[in-house]
Amino acid sequence: DQQVKQNSPSLSVQEGRISILNCDYTNSMFDYFLWYKKYPAEGPTFLISISSIKDKNEDGRFTVFLNKSAKHLSLHIVPSQPGDSAVYFCAASAQTGANNLFFGTGTRLTVIP
Amino acid sequence: NAGVTQTPKFRVLKTGQSMTLLCAQDMNHEYMYWYRQDPGMGLRLIHYSVGEGTTAKGEVPDGYNVSRLKKQNFLLGLESAAPSQTSVYFCASTPGGLGGANVLTFGAGSRLTVL
Repeated sequence: DQQVKQNSPSLSVQEGRISILNCDYTNSMFDYFLWYKKYPAEGPTFLISISSIKDKNEDGRFTVFLNKSAKHLSLHIVPSQPGDSAVYFCAASAQTGANNLFFGTGTRLTVIP
Repeated sequence: NAGVTQTPKFRVLKTGQSMTLLCAQDMNHEYMYWYRQDPGMGLRLIHYSVGEGTTAKGEVPDGYNVSRLKKQNFLLGLESAAPSQTSVYFCASTPGGLGGANVLTFGAGSRLTVL
């Protein structure tokens, strides 16, 4: 059973607008969350993370929001750029030093020039 | 900086054949992982290693074996390939496990097709 879910397989956004990618999780023991970005024919690369002690983390154009009560996190990209077009994976782990990350199925973001 | 290098990038096998995927990292990372990615599913952990000479099972280990004879290399073997093992395989490494500030550095992937 999928413990991390990304219910939107794809998202299209106009350049300059906000992109919002969503992720839900079921395991209340998850305490660290990450977003990875993947271009075709490349491996995923780390984008941004958030610990469960925070509800927001910001890095330039990227902000991740965590709602623990709803078991939901989201990635905001503002403003969106064509180079942001990629597949975005949400991932979660249950403890520091854990030996597995649980990944969502990914959302393909297309930023239209 | 090469980071994590996987070979081969593509391979086609017949059912029952065997093969080995090689992962090499030049970052002196202790932990190494093999994931598979299938359509409609997230990346799933096959096996991992917490240091030279160690291996452990992940979420979907059946049909695979691994070895970590050298710190920089992590091999994934398929002894008798099955069509269900058609997938894209990713190797990754971290300095010290997952969670916290230790993020995975991935290779570019190896696409395996089993006919």
